[in-house]
Amino acid sequence: RKEVEQDPGPFNVPEGATVAFNCTYSNSASQSFFWYRQDCRKEPKLLMSVYSSGNEDGRFTAQLNRASQYISLLIRDSKLSDSATYLCVVVNGGRYGGSQGNLIFGKGTKLSVKP
Amino acid sequence: GAVVSQHPSWVICKSGTSVKIECRSLDFQATTMFWYRQFPKQSLMLMATSNEGSKATYEQGVEKDKFLINHASLTLSTLTVTSAHPEDSSFYICSATGTSGRALDTQYFGPGTRLTVL
Repeated sequence: RKEVEQDPGPFNVPEGATVAFNCTYSNSASQSFFWYRQDCRKEPKLLMSVYSSGNEDGRFTAQLNRASQYISLLIRDSKLSDSATYLCVVVNGGRYGGSQGNLIFGKGTKLSVKP
Repeated sequence: GAVVSQHPSWVICKSGTSVKIECRSLDFQATTMFWYRQFPKQSLMLMATSNEGSKATYEQGVEKDKFLINHASLTLSTLTVTSAHPEDSSFYICSATGTSGRALDTQYFGPGTRLTVL
């Protein structure tokens, strides 16, 4: 089983739609969780951290279910500029401890928002 | 704050040559730098981790003699792909983390270097 699994998509949605991405991870000892956004041929950029209590940042809501080892990202009122690949990232602590541990990236879910 | 640059942004070279990629933290001291590689439609894979002034730690399956990493200062790490072959063609991305400010406990990514080996 892969360490971090995501549906590759693509998700093709109209502007204004609500879209949800899911991610599962295999290591129950994983400590930190993030969603990154990667535009075509660019570096990944941190979108938001994911906390057990869930967190919201504007149109973006992230949730974590440790029991099911499942992370989600909800995007409301999609914009054309939201088109990108969304990477689920898990940190296992590793040899560096804390959030400086190894980042384990999923392959990403591609989102395409159409006018 | 917490900006990371990479140079060059893209490079094309002949098989058998060596290519050096630089990663710089522009406004913070990067105590740790990470080198990743991403093949098309694949996830980023960590290649190695380097701490300033010490030898890099390579991930399993990454040849340390082929991918030479130097982290000589708190703002610069270099990755040299020696005797490059077409299968080394990939997107190489570095990230850096520091011990204070915004760089504390967060990895900031460089813009990446696209290597094509003919």
